[in-house]
Amino acid sequence: ETGVTQTPRHLVMGMTNKKSLKCEQHLGHNAMYWYKQSAKKPLELMFVYNFKEQTENNSVPSRFSPECPNSSHLFLHLHTLQPEDSALYLCASSAGLAGGDRTDTQYFGPGTRLTVL
Amino acid sequence: EDQVTQSPEALRLQEGESSSLNCSYTVSGLRGLFWYRQDPGKGPEFLFTLYSAGEEKEKERLKATLTKKESFLHITAPKPEDSATYLCAVQARGLSNDYKLSFGAGTTVTVRA
Repeated sequence: ETGVTQTPRHLVMGMTNKKSLKCEQHLGHNAMYWYKQSAKKPLELMFVYNFKEQTENNSVPSRFSPECPNSSHLFLHLHTLQPEDSALYLCASSAGLAGGDRTDTQYFGPGTRLTVL
Repeated sequence: EDQVTQSPEALRLQEGESSSLNCSYTVSGLRGLFWYRQDPGKGPEFLFTLYSAGEEKEKERLKATLTKKESFLHITAPKPEDSATYLCAVQARGLSNDYKLSFGAGTTVTVRA
């Protein structure tokens, strides 16, 4: 148990559906992340929020829409997805340090396995 | 652009057979190198952070080392419960408050009893 929870754990949706993924962190962190993990590929960073402000959008298609209402919650709204969007979607959080040479360890949730039919 | 390459892609070991995983990286300035363990259907679990060449860290049967170009994860006398995918990631030093991680594709380790 890392202190980062994700719901649902599994999701099957059609290409015309709208659904949302939820992430919650109980670590008192200030930064939250969405990643996409496809088989045999490195984790792909999708979005970064630091102190509730989006600081990174890694050229993600507009059919993925993030929302961060506070530093403990992160959502990923999905609509009109494609079959190639099927993957494991991981949420992570970190302290979000203020710069310098210190590292910022990310802690991951269990992921949502998404299947788009 | 930061690059992380892990080898081998898959490793099958007999219980007790020690081995090493490699993570080669190219980064403009290394802030930290991270190792994670990922079990099937789960999220990555943090193992170690290494900050500078020559540094070593240990946890049970795992030992991570770092040079200026690569990191090794040594598994000593592995047990079946060490079976997992091991991920390497680098965090680069930059001018902004940028703590992005660049991940390798991972090494899947299978330990047979």
